[in-house]
Amino acid sequence: GAGVSQSPRYKVAKRGQDVALRCDPISGHVSLFWYQQALGQGPEFLTYFQNEAQLDKSGLPSDRFFAERPEGSVSTLKIQRTQQEDSAVYLCASSLYGGNTGELFFGEGSRLTVL
Amino acid sequence: GESVGLHLPTLSVQEGDNSIINCAYSNSASDYFIWYKQESGKGPQFIIDIRSNMDKRQGQRVTVLLNKTVKHLSLQIAATQPGDSAVYFCAVSGGGADGLTFGKGTHLIIQP
Repeated sequence: GAGVSQSPRYKVAKRGQDVALRCDPISGHVSLFWYQQALGQGPEFLTYFQNEAQLDKSGLPSDRFFAERPEGSVSTLKIQRTQQEDSAVYLCASSLYGGNTGELFFGEGSRLTVL
Repeated sequence: GESVGLHLPTLSVQEGDNSIINCAYSNSASDYFIWYKQESGKGPQFIIDIRSNMDKRQGQRVTVLLNKTVKHLSLQIAATQPGDSAVYFCAVSGGGADGLTFGKGTHLIIQP
């Protein structure tokens, strides 16, 4: 497709379950970012990949959060033992160039609700 | 680190009027500034950006102004239309950090 694609769009999990959120960036884009957006707030940075290398994971809130991009294209954000405070929209964005040097294209997000 | 704030959580304007949305940032080393528009249920959409070597940039119906002295950024939307109704975020980059730092957003409401 032409844009960033995320799946699932909606996920309901029981507290303690593991979830995996997928991001298909725009083909050829070098940079991939994950953001967390709580209700009524701006997106908050989680982690950044340049190709397959995870260059910054300083925004991951705990060791229950894990992200990978093994072949430098599709990325997965995994949350283990979900808690209610993990409920948010998880946004993926990609950029043609490395770092913060170009326009970020966002997906529509995966809305996670933890019961 | 960087913090980004907006002055108004909600802005209500008459259709056809100009809108001005403001943003303040804290890190004087920040060098790249972007405005995003987010409609309900969608991801943020790029509107316009500006780098620190400029103080004004114009797009179609939008203008971004950057005042580095007071660390202030604004977005001006001319002749506001119903389709402009959304939440607007400023985002800031640079100063050594990866990723963008977003403000909390201003919800622009268009009155008919």
